[in-house]
This record gives sequence, structure tokens and C-alpha cells, in this order.
Amino acid sequence: GENVEQHPSTLSVQEGDSAVIKCTYSDSASNYFPWYKQELGKRPQLIIDIRSNVGEKKDQRIAVTLNKTAKHFSLHITETQPEDSAVYFCAASKGDDKIIFGKGTRLHILP
Amino acid sequence: DVKVTQSSRYLVKRTGEKVFLECVQDMDHENMFWYRQDPGLGLRLIYFSYDVKMKEKGDIPEGYSVSREKKERFSLILESASTNQTSMYLCASSLWASGRVKDGELFFGEGSRLTVL
Repeated sequence: GENVEQHPSTLSVQEGDSAVIKCTYSDSASNYFPWYKQELGKRPQLIIDIRSNVGEKKDQRIAVTLNKTAKHFSLHITETQPEDSAVYFCAASKGDDKIIFGKGTRLHILP
Repeated sequence: DVKVTQSSRYLVKRTGEKVFLECVQDMDHENMFWYRQDPGLGLRLIYFSYDVKMKEKGDIPEGYSVSREKKERFSLILESASTNQTSMYLCASSLWASGRVKDGELFFGEGSRLTVL
């Protein structure tokens, strides 16, 4: 089955700097790649997603890139702010209703 | 707004007890899921259901069963709880997307933190 690897497990960046989280997936049939953010004590929420027919998608300060050949995708957060501190999960799905998550990245924004 | 409600935020049970975790969604979503969340292990899929009375195993179904008698309700059952099932359990639902692409945004409940003594 699908396996999603996510790195790093913990990331600390200075406020205002950029943060990058990387994921790889194993099943070349996967075609949907969402990212979820989970703030402390709260439920995970979708922040951005990308489908396999595009290589990049941007929404204000966040962007996601997809390299289908290499089977990896990345989340980029620019101009980081304190409210970006959270755990971020990448995920992959091949359209059979199973969404498989990576192990998560704990992002700390340092003042 | 989609609302996914899990019946219990915190439960404490003893080894060997039968445990029911209930989840209800109010947006007529076809798909429902149960994940468990453990530090360093992320969100692992236990079971999911894409229709009433239908169920599919996820990655870690051992020791669990599920029930979906009504579209809005998806229950997770631990027949005989064990200490290694101490965890945070998250229910989620999603809409059946049109066409062959069945993925879609997951809407999560608040979670049920289960402690098995």
C-alpha cells in the first residue's frame, strides 16, 4: 500500500523566515496530495492541496510543489508568523477514499 | 459549516472492557474514517466507510471493528481494550467527489482521548 515519508520531524525557524517541509510517496498511482495543519489541542484542518495534473499551487503565504517523476511534494511557508506554529501533516491518496498521512512535522516559529 | 461530533472527549477504561467511540456528522457526507494519533507516528487509518453498512480496513485494523448503520453515524468498537490502544482517536468525514476521483477534504472531529489501564 501507499507509504508517505515526511521530513523533518521538527523544524524551528525565525519569525519572518521561510519554512519548507518535504514528503515522498511510494505509489505512483497517487493523484491527490493534501496538507493539514493541527494547532495545539485542536483538530487537523486542510490548508492546501494539489492534484497530480498541476506542479505548483499557491495560496497567499503557503505554496505546494509536486514532482511526480521523483514522487515528492513540498510545503513552503514564506514570511512565517507566530500563528504558523503547529504540526503539519502531508498526505497522499489515489482516489480509493484512503488518505494516508505522513508522521507530521512540528514547526516552531522563534521570536 | 461541517460539524463532526465525537461523543466523548476523554475516556478511561480497564483492560478487557468493551469500548464504543461514536462519531456523528451533519453534512450528509458519504465517507467516514477513524484514525488514531500517536506522538511521532502521525495519523494512522484504522477503518473507513464509503456507504451505509460498508466498511474497509485501513492500515491498523487489528483489535478494532466498526459499525455504520446510518449515514451520519460511524462507530469504532474495541472488543477487548488493551493498554496499547491508549491513544487519541480522530473521526473524519468527507464528501464523495464526482467522477472517479473519490478524494476530498477531510473534516475531523475534536478527538477522543482513550486511556486503557
